[in-house]
Amino acid sequence: GENVEQHPSTLSVQEGDSAVIKCTYSDSASNYFPWYKQELGKGPQLIIDIRSNVGEKKDQRIAVTLNKTAKHFSLHITETQPEDSAVYFCAAHQAGTALIFGKGTTLSVSS
Amino acid sequence: DGGITQSPKYLFRKEGQNVTLSCEQNLNHDAMYWYRQDPGQGLRLIYYSQIVNDFQKGDIAEGYSVSREKKESFPLTVTSAQKNPTAFYLCASSIGGREIPYEQYFGPGTRLTVT
Repeated sequence: GENVEQHPSTLSVQEGDSAVIKCTYSDSASNYFPWYKQELGKGPQLIIDIRSNVGEKKDQRIAVTLNKTAKHFSLHITETQPEDSAVYFCAAHQAGTALIFGKGTTLSVSS
Repeated sequence: DGGITQSPKYLFRKEGQNVTLSCEQNLNHDAMYWYRQDPGQGLRLIYYSQIVNDFQKGDIAEGYSVSREKKESFPLTVTSAQKNPTAFYLCASSIGGREIPYEQYFGPGTRLTVT
């Protein structure tokens, strides 16, 4: 089955810097890759996603890139702000199954 | 948290008791999911349902049971057979998902503590 590895597990940046979180997946049949942000004590919120027919997607300060050949995808946050501090999860999905999540990255943005 | 409600937010039970966690959605989504989250871990799938009266086991179904009698409801029962039930439980739903994956939306979660 699918396995998703996420790195780093913790990430500390200064306000205004960029943050990059990377994930790798094992099953080449996976075709949908969402990213979730989870604040303390709350459910995860979908922030951006990408499908396997697209290499890059951007939404304001957030972007996701996908390299199908290498089986990895990354989340890029530019101009970080303190409110970006949260736990971020990547996931991979293939038809006929459900989402498989990475173990999460705790992002801390200090002002 | 959209149109997904989970109740209660905090739940306390004694060891050996079964407990049922509620999940309701008003998004008209066909698919619903239950995940378990432990500290420092990702979300692990317990059960999922693509359609009413049908559900499949996820990676960690042992000690849990579900039902899907109505489209909008997917309750999860944590039985006394679950060895480590204390965790944060998350319910999610999506338009569909078996052949073409769609966005999953999560509820606010229920924190279960068993002593």
